[in-house]
Amino acid sequence: EDQVTQSPEALRLQEGESSSLNCSYTVSGLRGLFWYRQDPGKGPEFLFTLYSAGEEKEKERLKATLTKKESFLHITAPKPEDSATYLCAVNSNSGYALNFGKGTSLLVTP
Amino acid sequence: NAGVTQTPKFQVLKTGQSMTLQCAQDMNHEYMSWYRQDPGMGLRLIHYSVGAGITDQGEVPNGYNVSRSTTEDFPLRLLSAAPSQTSVYFCASSTRTRSGNTIYFGEGSWLTVV
Repeated sequence: EDQVTQSPEALRLQEGESSSLNCSYTVSGLRGLFWYRQDPGKGPEFLFTLYSAGEEKEKERLKATLTKKESFLHITAPKPEDSATYLCAVNSNSGYALNFGKGTSLLVTP
Repeated sequence: NAGVTQTPKFQVLKTGQSMTLQCAQDMNHEYMSWYRQDPGMGLRLIHYSVGAGITDQGEVPNGYNVSRSTTEDFPLRLLSAAPSQTSVYFCASSTRTRSGNTIYFGEGSWLTVV
């Protein structure tokens, strides 16, 4: 059975204080690892898809990396507007479904 | 969120009532799905469809029904609402391309069953 574990559950950063969020996974054949951002009262907003170990993708202050067992979402010099819940999900050989982790709630204070 | 529209945004039901959550996408995606999100549980798959006329069950299908008569629409029906179905429901759509797979979500439907 596919499993996705995100850590930490919550993270509080000062503006400009870089950090990383972790997503550990076990799947039977990875077809894609997804990162989403979710603001309160909104649907998940797509950030990245990673497909193979060693792959990296960047978008503004965010950089996602992938190994065979985990993915990291690095946040460089965060701003208060980066505050949100970040969700990790995997798509495996079992089908089209996404298996989500429980998310990391990020708060960036001025 | 690009192209996935859900209605209604908020709904209150009494136990035993039935209702339909609507989902429409304008991206010509073949794959659509419904998830529910509950505190401490993450997003869980209810039902999905890989094309018009084809549906299948996800992780938590009991109490829900779906059909896919067109590519654009994928309604979720609650047959006899129960308090355990109080949740936030998200519809998603996607397609596979040579560059990979991107899954887009709607804005959500908040359902309370009393």
